[in-house]
This record gives sequence, structure tokens and C-alpha cells, in this order.
Amino acid sequence: DAKTTQPPSMDCAEGRAANLPCNHSTISGNEYVYWYRQIHSQGPQYIIHGLKNNETNEMASLIITEDRKSSTLILPHATLRDTAVYYCIVRVGISGTYKYIFGTGTRLKVLA
Amino acid sequence: EAQVTQNPRYLITVTGKKLTVTCSQNMNHEYMSWYRQDPGLGLRQIYYSMNVEVTDKGDVPEGYKVSRKEKRNFPLILESPSPNQTSLYFCASSFRSNNSPLHFGNGTRLTVT
Repeated sequence: DAKTTQPPSMDCAEGRAANLPCNHSTISGNEYVYWYRQIHSQGPQYIIHGLKNNETNEMASLIITEDRKSSTLILPHATLRDTAVYYCIVRVGISGTYKYIFGTGTRLKVLA
Repeated sequence: EAQVTQNPRYLITVTGKKLTVTCSQNMNHEYMSWYRQDPGLGLRQIYYSMNVEVTDKGDVPEGYKVSRKEKRNFPLILESPSPNQTSLYFCASSFRSNNSPLHFGNGTRLTVT
């Protein structure tokens, strides 16, 4: 199973870009990378996902390296409300079944 | 509103007393799954279901049962709860397509004494 590795914690100044890295060196060719965040003990919230190309939505951008072994989630203008634990997840599947592999995430603290 | 609904949000029980945590989704998702979250261990999958009447074990299935009699519901059953099942539980659902994100419920905090 593809596993993900993230730094345990990061700080970011309010208004600056937050760049959260993730390594997924064992990812297979058709496995997507998903990013979620969890605020306190609420249910994880979907942010963005991608396969090969860079992706952008209203919340964030996702940069995936050409070899697909790592990715970076970018929050372009972090606010205090972005303080959360961010999870980089790979969805792995065999023979029509699949599961999501969660790591322990990065605790992002946005500082005023 | 599209959502995954878990009940109850909080539950305190005693060892050995059977309990059920309900999960319902209104998005017509084929895939449903249960996770538990413990400090330092992240989210671990308990069971999942690819469709009605199809369930499979995740990484930590011991002590749990599930059923999928209808597409929208996926209850988690603890036949004889033990203190090591004290945890935060999340239900999630998605479409089966390769490109579909998981939608999570708000969680159930279970304490077994």
C-alpha cells in the first residue's frame, strides 16, 4: 500500500502562503492523492485531489511532482481559520475495491 | 443538504453492553466506510462497503460488525464493547469512481468504562 509521509507540524504567518509537503514514494500510476483537513475533532473536510497534473480550486492548489512521488498543498493566503491538521491521503485499490490510506498529518498553526 | 449523518455524537457505555452507531448518507453513494481515530495513530479503517450487501474488513476490524442492507445506511455494531474501543469514530461515503472524494460525518465519541 502506498503510504504518505508528512512533517508533524508547521507554522505560517497570517496572510502568507502555507506550503504543506507530502511524500508518497510508493504511489502507483492510477492512485489519486487527496488532501483533507480536520479542525479540532470534527469530521475531515475535503480540500482537493489530483492524479498527475497540478490542480487548483477555491480553497487551495495542489502541485504534484512529475515522478508523482511527492506533492505540495498550497494555501495561498492563510488565515487563522486555516489552523488545522492536514492529511495527505492516497487511495489504493485492487480488483474493484479500494481504501484510503491516512497518515498522521501535519498540524498547521497560522500565527497572527 | 448533502451530508453524512452519524448518531449519537457522544456515547458513554459499560464493558459488554452491545451498542450500535448509525450512519446514513443522502448522496446515493455506493461506497461507505468506518474509521476510528486515536491520538498518535491517525485514522484507521475498520470496515468498508462497496455496495449493498458487500462488506470487507479494513485494518482494525476486531470487535466490530457492520451491515449494509440499504444503500444509504451503514451501522457499526459493537457486540461486546471493551475499554480499548474508546475512540472517536467517523463514517464516510463516496461514489465508487476513481475520482470521487470521501465525505465524512461529524463523528461519534465513544467512551467504554
